[in-house]
Amino acid sequence: NAGVTQTPKFRVLKTGQSMTLLCAQDMNHEYMYWYRQDPGMGLRLIHYSVGEGTTAKGEVPDGYNVSRLKKQNFLLGLESAAPSQTSVYFCASSYSTSGSDTQYFGPGTRLTVL
Amino acid sequence: GDSVTQMEGPVTLSEEAFLTINCTYTATGYPSLFWYVQYPGEGLQLLLKATKADDKGSNKGFEATYRKETTSFHLEKGSVQVSDSAVYFCALYSGGGADGLTFGKGTHLIIQP
Repeated sequence: NAGVTQTPKFRVLKTGQSMTLLCAQDMNHEYMYWYRQDPGMGLRLIHYSVGEGTTAKGEVPDGYNVSRLKKQNFLLGLESAAPSQTSVYFCASSYSTSGSDTQYFGPGTRLTVL
Repeated sequence: GDSVTQMEGPVTLSEEAFLTINCTYTATGYPSLFWYVQYPGEGLQLLLKATKADDKGSNKGFEATYRKETTSFHLEKGSVQVSDSAVYFCALYSGGGADGLTFGKGTHLIIQP
């Protein structure tokens, strides 16, 4: 099993450009998440999905959109990138949101917006 | 809302030293508590977890006990190795809001040989 994979690993954008980050998991997990990691801030939840075709906002959703058309994939879109979106983005998945369940993380995408 | 506070680093220790990384939390209800570790250039991996008061999570020589009375989940290891150098995140899940984890800011641990 590959676990959770993310594409691309690195990307540099200019302000105003758009892009999509792809997350894929092969563990048949229902729940998927997008976090961003900033220096001194820990990880913050952007959006999440509780199943195919459903999405919900997390702590810092502004400027991002997401889609979950297939159970194994969770896409994060930036329609008009801003320098404040320079960050490392992590995708995660879990079987459920039971308190004892583990979230499995991808390797991350490092995004720089100039 | 939920929050996690952990000591900020970097924390620098010599090999075989005793490690404590403090973590305290604020949450609604009775959260589950986690420690995740991030090695350089990698994503986060679950290190250990505890789901109810007085539970002790343990893995790879690391331990943490869920203390409801002090709202704490301190990470300890008796003898650290150079390979333990990483960033450690304390996190909680309370289910009281968005279905994601609430993380602390992370503690960068550096072990010198």
